[in-house]
Amino acid sequence: AQSVTQLGSHVSVSEGALVLLRCNYSSSVPPYLFWYVQYPNQGLQLLLKYTTGATLVKGINGFEAEFKKSETSFHLTKPSAHMSDAAEYFCAVVGGGTSYGKLTFGQGTILTVHP
Amino acid sequence: SQTIHQWPATLVQPVGSPLSLECTVEGTSNPNLYWYRQAAGRGLQLLFYSVGIGQISSEVPQNLSASRPQDRQFILSSKKLLLSDSGFYLCAWSVQDTQYFGPGTRLTVL
Repeated sequence: AQSVTQLGSHVSVSEGALVLLRCNYSSSVPPYLFWYVQYPNQGLQLLLKYTTGATLVKGINGFEAEFKKSETSFHLTKPSAHMSDAAEYFCAVVGGGTSYGKLTFGQGTILTVHP
Repeated sequence: SQTIHQWPATLVQPVGSPLSLECTVEGTSNPNLYWYRQAAGRGLQLLFYSVGIGQISSEVPQNLSASRPQDRQFILSSKKLLLSDSGFYLCAWSVQDTQYFGPGTRLTVL
């Protein structure tokens, strides 16, 4: 079974500051990890994903995340926040085997960006 | 390229009325399909998933049902809505473990 913990349901940063959204996972099999972003009243948009290979993954809108197996973490970062980054962010994990690609989501982190 | 459609975008229904939400995917074949509900303060809850026509698995016992009459069509239904069915319903499709989401349907049950 898999689980995801997102530390901090709300994160607030100033425009231009570093964005760091934390995600820790638990998985009994090698995980595939994802970050999604959701703007109000919209569906989820895939930001980036880790499956295999390079542990530093770059996504859209200047975001990146690093898979750290020893820390069971997949934190999302962006060097400089923009007002348009204000949204809710979800970390998710899927395991192999017969999971049929079923994602397990974290509870989400709402990012607020102040001018 | 692949696209996913959901309709209606918003819906207001009285308690006890029936429900039918539709999701269609274009540009891919034999996708896995999923229905999620997002209720206030409760995160994303997987309701149903399907790996093929007529193959539906339920994740949570509830007042809802799902059907997949065609390869790229996924329908969420209810015979009698409850207040607790209110929420934002998201359809998703996947190939090779990456899920892509539709725009969602906002359902309000009064």
